[in-house]
Amino acid sequence: KQEVTQIPAALSVPEGENLVLNCSFTDSAIYNLQWFRQDPGKGLTSLLLIQSSQREQTSGRLNASLDKSSGRSTLYIAASQPGDSATYLCAVKGEDSNYQLIWGAGTKLIIKP
Amino acid sequence: GAVVSQHPSWVICKSGTSVKIECRSLDFQATTMFWYRQFPKQSLMLMATSNEGSKATYEQGVEKDKFLINHASLTLSTLTVTSAHPEDSSFYICSARVAGGSDEQFFGPGTRLTVL
Repeated sequence: KQEVTQIPAALSVPEGENLVLNCSFTDSAIYNLQWFRQDPGKGLTSLLLIQSSQREQTSGRLNASLDKSSGRSTLYIAASQPGDSATYLCAVKGEDSNYQLIWGAGTKLIIKP
Repeated sequence: GAVVSQHPSWVICKSGTSVKIECRSLDFQATTMFWYRQFPKQSLMLMATSNEGSKATYEQGVEKDKFLINHASLTLSTLTVTSAHPEDSSFYICSARVAGGSDEQFFGPGTRLTVL
């Protein structure tokens, strides 16, 4: 049974710092991995989707990497800003035909001005 | 593109009443929609997978008679919480998968349900 873990659960850093959020999964047989952002009381915003054949994806100041064999993904945020404060969730989809996503519990990020 | 809306965005109801939440794909057809619930400070929990024109598939532990799901068209799925109780208070989020597209799911903004 696939399990997804995100460490740390919470992170507070000063504005301007580069930071890394971690996501690990127990079953390497994944189809893709997705990173989302959720603001308090709001829905989800998809940030990056990495297919299993890919090593990384970039969007602006965000870079997500995937090491399928070791069951790890990282989300790198460069030059953090207070507006980046949110909860970041990762989710994986297995290789089977079920479209169900398996979710991590999220990392709550606070960027201090 | 690929915008999903939910209505209402928030609802407060009395215990014992039923509440209907709509999930719409605005600019694409969705053969499959998913319903999640999220408790405070927790991650999303999949409740059911809804396929257009067929019965929804519920996850273990989710009561299908309490959470009625109807996916009557390729752009609309509804979740009805029947005889709601305070423990049903939660944040409900839907997502939709593009018909014939990739496996990517697009998420709605969520509905905050509070049962008094």
